[in-house]
Amino acid sequence: QSALTQPRSVSGSPGQSVAISCTGTSSDVGGNNLVSWYQQHPGKAPKLIIYDVTKRPSGVPDRFSGSKSGNTASLTISGLLAGDEADYYCCSYAGSNTFYVFGTGTTVTVL
Amino acid sequence: EMQLVESGGGLVQPGGSLRLSCAASEFTFSSYWMHWVRQAPGKGLVWVSRMNSDGSTTNYADSVKGRFTISRDNARNTLYLQMNSLRAEDTAVYYCASPGVRDGYNFDIWGQGTMVTVSS
Repeated sequence: QSALTQPRSVSGSPGQSVAISCTGTSSDVGGNNLVSWYQQHPGKAPKLIIYDVTKRPSGVPDRFSGSKSGNTASLTISGLLAGDEADYYCCSYAGSNTFYVFGTGTTVTVL
Repeated sequence: EMQLVESGGGLVQPGGSLRLSCAASEFTFSSYWMHWVRQAPGKGLVWVSRMNSDGSTTNYADSVKGRFTISRDNARNTLYLQMNSLRAEDTAVYYCASPGVRDGYNFDIWGQGTMVTVSS
C-alpha cells in the first residue's frame, strides 16, 4: 500500500490561507469518511487537528478545516500564524487488509 | 491530562530483538484500541500495528508481520511491541498512540516516542 500523496511544501504569508491536498484511492480516502490530519512540529509528537474528514477536536482553532472530494481530502489553514509552521500529515483508514495509510507529509512555511 | 510514555528504545544489531513499552496514565487504558506508529529519520509517519481493548484482536502492517508482536497488560496500563529479526529499515522513532475517548479511526493521544536504531 503506497502512502497518500501530499505536496512536499506549501507556503503563505501571515494572515493568508493555504490548502494541502491528500490524494489516495477508492480503497482509502475515497472509500470512507475516516480521514484525519496531524500537525507535527520539529522534534515533537504529531497532534490531531482534524478527524472524520471535517471534525475538529476541542482546542483546535477553527482556522483549521477539512474537506473531501472523491479520492482527495484537503486541509485548509486560514489566517496563517507563525506557529502554524510545521509538517502536516493526512491519514486514512484503508480497510481490513491495509488498515491505516498516512500521507507523504507537507511542510508549511510562513513567509 | 491523558499521557502515554514510551520506553525501551536503543541501538540493536541487525537480526536482534527489542521490546518497547508504552505506559498510560490519566487514561482509561483498558477501554481503547492502542496503536504503534513509526517515523524513520527525516521521513513520514507509518502505521505499524494495533490491538483492541481486551487484546483479542491484533493487526500489523505487511512490513512487520511475522516479526513484530503487539500486546498489552490492562492491569498495568501498558502496551508493548516485541520486535524480532530487526532490520536497518526498522530504524525509526516509535510512537504509541490511541484515539482515546474519541474511540474512532484516528490518533488523538500520542506518546513522546522512543528511538530505535538498527545498525552494526
